[in-house]
Amino acid sequence: NAGVTQTPKFQVLKTGQSMTLQCAQDMNHEYMSWYRQDPGMGLRLIHYSVGAGITDQGEVPNGYNVSRSTTEDFPLRLLSAAPSQTSVYFCASSSRDTTYEQYFGPGTRLTVT
Amino acid sequence: GEDVEQSLFLSVREGDSSVINCTYTDSSSTYLYWYKQEPGAGLQLLTYIFSNMDMKQDQRLTVLLNKKDKHLSLRIADTQTGDSAIYFCAEGSNDYKLSFGAGTTVTVRA
Repeated sequence: NAGVTQTPKFQVLKTGQSMTLQCAQDMNHEYMSWYRQDPGMGLRLIHYSVGAGITDQGEVPNGYNVSRSTTEDFPLRLLSAAPSQTSVYFCASSSRDTTYEQYFGPGTRLTVT
Repeated sequence: GEDVEQSLFLSVREGDSSVINCTYTDSSSTYLYWYKQEPGAGLQLLTYIFSNMDMKQDQRLTVLLNKKDKHLSLRIADTQTGDSAIYFCAEGSNDYKLSFGAGTTVTVRA
């Protein structure tokens, strides 16, 4: 059981480039979300999804897009990378029946130069 | 997040108890959580407590919740070197979105 997986583990982008961070879970969880972690600030919610075809914005959505075409996958797209998006990105998932148990992926460390 | 506050650093001697404190502002919080993050790793759910509980014990971990003061604490008994990590307090409601504190870095010294 792989749980929540994220790729890539590390990524370096130039300002203005675009890319997609991948997240997948094999637990058939309805809920998935993306957080970013910055020093001294804890984790902040970017976007989340309560099921396939449904997404919504979190606390810091600007500069990011998401889609949820399947239950398993929840990719995060950076449209035009900026240095302010340098961060560690975490994907999480939980079941609708046990929303209080969120499982996190190992993270993607992104650097934008 | 600004709604959840915790001290940034804690140093403890191996074998002693660690106590990490957290305060939150949202009185509608349903669940309070403690997550552990080891270097270079993701977040691991350590334990959680429902807002209608005062205390939860799980092996070496004891969670105390004072709902009136919106204060949450995590006590780790017999702290070991493997307990060195960042500990995040988080609160959530039934919509499952979590608000995190900035994390407390716990250093265990011999």
